[in-house]
Amino acid sequence: SQQGEEDPQALSIQEGENATMNCSYKTSINNLQWYRQNSGRGLVHLILIRSNEREKHSGRLRVTLDTSKKSSSLLITASRAADTASYFCATAGAGNNRKLIWGLGTSLAVNP
Amino acid sequence: GAVVSQHPSWVICKSGTSVKIECRSLDFQATTMFWYRQFPKQSLMLMATSNEGSKATYEQGVEKDKFLINHASLTLSTLTVTSAHPEDSSFYICSARVFGSLEDEQFFGPGTRLTVL
Repeated sequence: SQQGEEDPQALSIQEGENATMNCSYKTSINNLQWYRQNSGRGLVHLILIRSNEREKHSGRLRVTLDTSKKSSSLLITASRAADTASYFCATAGAGNNRKLIWGLGTSLAVNP
Repeated sequence: GAVVSQHPSWVICKSGTSVKIECRSLDFQATTMFWYRQFPKQSLMLMATSNEGSKATYEQGVEKDKFLINHASLTLSTLTVTSAHPEDSSFYICSARVFGSLEDEQFFGPGTRLTVL
């Protein structure tokens, strides 16, 4: 089942620009994760932010979490053509089944 | 570390045949593996959660007799699509959680593209 929505659904930018993607969710969470998927491939885990964290960085990635608004954002700074991919957010609840609830994804195209 | 493989990476089969997809954690033990299905330009749809040594838990609307899951060891789970039909054509992806991990991070296989003729 889908947790919520990501926006934009598609984003096209030039190399060097920043890309911001947003994710909204509906239920209370234990953590929120961002994944990347290149076309026709599996997913790669990018970053995990816990419900008691507000911001997290990893290289060119910056993730924020606002639990009051039930939303998160992923910022990719100084984008590169190799960042072209689909980006998905996924939330983990506090229960024990440990399954992730997935967003619909944002398709990012970085033009050289 | 935390590498997950899937085999085969693609398969084409005739309608009515069964297809088995393997998911292996190569450098870690996985108590839990997940099987997803993904349609073009869409998000992942969780099919089932597979725990080593026990029956898989299927999501609502997923036929357990159609999609047989076996998690025989801490490093291997298999998905068998029985009596495949063209509507079963899709991209199937597995993922695994590390045994003993307190995190919910999942490590994904590269996916298997199934085409049923």
